[in-house]
Formats: sequence, structure tokens, C-alpha cells
Amino acid sequence: GEKVEQHESTLSVREGDSAVINCTYTDTASSYFPWYKQEAGKSLHFVIDIRSNVDRKQSQRLIVLLDKKAKRFSLHITATQPEDSAIYFCAASRNSNNRIFFGDGTQLVVKP
Amino acid sequence: EAAVTQSPRNKVAVTGGKVTLSCNQTNNHNNMYWYRQDTGHGLRLIHYSYGAGSTEKGDIPDGYKASRPSQENFSLILELATPSQTSVYFCASGDPLGSQDTQYFGPGTRLLVL
Repeated sequence: GEKVEQHESTLSVREGDSAVINCTYTDTASSYFPWYKQEAGKSLHFVIDIRSNVDRKQSQRLIVLLDKKAKRFSLHITATQPEDSAIYFCAASRNSNNRIFFGDGTQLVVKP
Repeated sequence: EAAVTQSPRNKVAVTGGKVTLSCNQTNNHNNMYWYRQDTGHGLRLIHYSYGAGSTEKGDIPDGYKASRPSQENFSLILELATPSQTSVYFCASGDPLGSQDTQYFGPGTRLLVL
């Protein structure tokens, strides 16, 4: 089955800087790549996704890039703020059955 | 916004006891999922369901059973709880036929098995 790897287990940035979280996947049939955010002590919630028919998607300060050839995708958070501090999970899925395979998460710390 | 609720939110159980974790969703989603989250392992899928009456094994089903009696409800059952099942459990729902493939998560249940 699919295996999703998150390359950074922890990431620390200064407020205002950009943060980049990188993920790779193994299944060439994966076509849907969501990202989830988990704040301390809370549940996960969806933040942004990208489908395989595009290679870039932006939602406010969040940018997702997809390189299908390299089977790699990344989340870029620009102008980071303290409230961006959280664990971020990347995931991959084939659209057919909605099963999502998660990476192990990246703890992002934004220092003031 | 999708609504997924879980009960109980916290549970202390004894080794060998039976534990039932409940999940309810009001989104009319076909698919529901049970995950556990442990430090260093991220989210691991235990069981999932495509609709009422269906249950499928995920990646770590041993020691767990699941039940989907209705569209809205999905339960996770630990017949003989063990300390290794101490974890945080998340339920999620999703609809692959809908406009998004994303999953909506419940608030989680903290289970401590003594």
C-alpha cells in the first residue's frame, strides 16, 4: 500500500519567516494530497489540499506544491505567526475509496 | 461544517476489561474511520467502514472490533483491553462521492488501560 513520509519531524522558525514541510509518497496512483493541522491537545482539521491535475495551490499564506515525477509534495507557510505552531500531517489518497494514508507529522514551532 | 462527536472523551479501563468507544456523525457521510495516535507513530488506521453494516480492517486491527449499525454511528470495541492499547483514538468521517475527499475528525478519546 501507500507509504507517506514526512521528512522533518520538528521544524523551528522565527515569526515572519517561511516554513516548508516536505513529504514523499510511493503509490503512483495517489491523486489527492490533503494537509491537516493539529494544535496542542486538539483534534486534526483540514487546512489545504492539492489534486494531481495541478502542481501548485495557494490559500492565503499556505502554498502546496506537487511534483508527481518525484512523488513529492510540500507545504509552504509564508509570514509565519505564533498561531501556526502545531503538528502538520501530510497525506495521500487515491480518489476511489477515500482511504487516506498519513505521514507521521511535523511539529512546527514558530518563535516570536 | 461537518460534525463528528465521540464518547467518552476520557476513559480509564482495567486490563482484560471491555471498552466501547462511540462515534457519531451528522454529515450523512458514507465512510467512517477509527485511528489511534501515539507519539512517534502519527495516525494509524484501525478499522473503517463504507456504510451501515460494513466494516473493514485497517493497518492495525488486532485486538479491536468495529461495528457500524447505522449511517451515523461507528463503534470501536476492545473486548479484552491491554495496556498497549493506551492511546488517543480519533474517529473521522468522509464522503468520496462528495465535493471533497477530505476527512472530518472528532475531538478524540483518551484511553488509559491500567
